[in-house]
Amino acid sequence: QITLKESGPTLVKPTQTLTLTCTFSGFSLSTSGVGVGWIRQPPGKALEWLALIYWDDDKRYSPSLKSRLTITKDTSKNQVVLTMTNMDPVDTATYYCAHCIAAAFDYWGQGTLVTVSS
Amino acid sequence: SYELTQPPSVSVSPGQTASITCSGDKLGDKYACWYQQKSGQSPVLVIYQDSKRPSGIPERFSGSNSGNTATLTISGTQAMDEADYYCQAWDSSPVVFGGGTKLTVL
Repeated sequence: QITLKESGPTLVKPTQTLTLTCTFSGFSLSTSGVGVGWIRQPPGKALEWLALIYWDDDKRYSPSLKSRLTITKDTSKNQVVLTMTNMDPVDTATYYCAHCIAAAFDYWGQGTLVTVSS
Repeated sequence: SYELTQPPSVSVSPGQTASITCSGDKLGDKYACWYQQKSGQSPVLVIYQDSKRPSGIPERFSGSNSGNTATLTISGTQAMDEADYYCQAWDSSPVVFGGGTKLTVL
């Protein structure tokens, strides 16, 4: 049974750096073809893909946010960490992590709401 | 950058067939998938690789992808299918989501 859970601060101030952790179980991020992605959703708006890391440590980023994002993995801890710098109120959203296989995100975490406000 | 376009809303009567489209340049050359998101919940994958259904997804959900358009079809739509639906494709970015379609079952 695959599960993922996001954790991190619920409130950050403008200009601060956001660090989110995705802790998962039921799969290994060292298995060929597997990836973990981050997707966010501002309140009442559409899904937006942020970043993706593969089993072989290949990393991909949204072109519009690439300069602000870093994704890393700790295979031994079954965790993926996303950092986003220079947070702004427009970054207020629910942030999801998801298991990626066969060109789709087939398991999603419950999401964590991050509010950016002074 | 690559874009996927969905109609903002689609309405269907219970028991009828709902079709939700997703348009993008040469989308048929890429894999498309679809997610269902009910209010306050995380998205659920309902179609992947254009037309495959994950385990546990009812057979009334089907997908196709050709030319510039991918289509999610829900046959015999039920009230429980009322939700937002998002298409997603892989490009050089590599991941792109559509803007979402709100399906209303009247």
